[in-house]
Amino acid sequence: SQTIHQWPATLVQPVGSPLSLECTVEGTSNPNLYWYRQAAGRGLQLLFYSVGIGQISSEVPQNLSASRPQDRQFILSSKKLLLSDSGFYLCAWSVFGGGSYEQYFGPGTRLTVT
Amino acid sequence: RKEVEQDPGPFNVPEGATVAFNCTYSNSASQSFFWYRQDCRKEPKLLMSVYSSGNEDGRFTAQLNRASQYISLLIRDSKLSDSATYLCVVNIAGGATNKLIFGTGTLLAVQP
Repeated sequence: SQTIHQWPATLVQPVGSPLSLECTVEGTSNPNLYWYRQAAGRGLQLLFYSVGIGQISSEVPQNLSASRPQDRQFILSSKKLLLSDSGFYLCAWSVFGGGSYEQYFGPGTRLTVT
Repeated sequence: RKEVEQDPGPFNVPEGATVAFNCTYSNSASQSFFWYRQDCRKEPKLLMSVYSSGNEDGRFTAQLNRASQYISLLIRDSKLSDSATYLCVVNIAGGATNKLIFGTGTLLAVQP
């Protein structure tokens, strides 16, 4: 069965510090991968998605970047965090090219920028 | 107009009650529809897909009205464990990947 891992679970970082969040998927090949952010009391905002190694699409201009160095690894990064980067970061996967479109989420990373 | 709109609630209902959530979407070309459940400070989890003919999974029934661009979720015999935020989700048609639009959710609180 497929599983998705994210770490760390929680993170407190000062403004201006770098960020690296990692997501890995097991039990599937060539998945579509996604990064979302959920601000407190808000809906899910799609940040990036990837359909393959090295292929990254950005949904909104922001202070963050994403990379996919391996088929089942997706990384979210920032060189200098802003206060507004605080939120709940969720990684998700879906089947590539499948007729259904459901996505499955990892447990998330709760980031607080101080 | 938001792409997916839901009543934020909260819906406070007693155990055993029947409760219904509604959702509207703006993109008439959308093809796939889902309900997700999100517990406090947890990730969203797929509750059920919504099919054109309507579908049922135990106490949960989902309906789709394409003409009105309207989706509903009915929960019968509510349990305390049903307390959560329910997210209405619609796919964006076209493109190379599966992009979903999430509503902001409806909060359900089932009271003992």
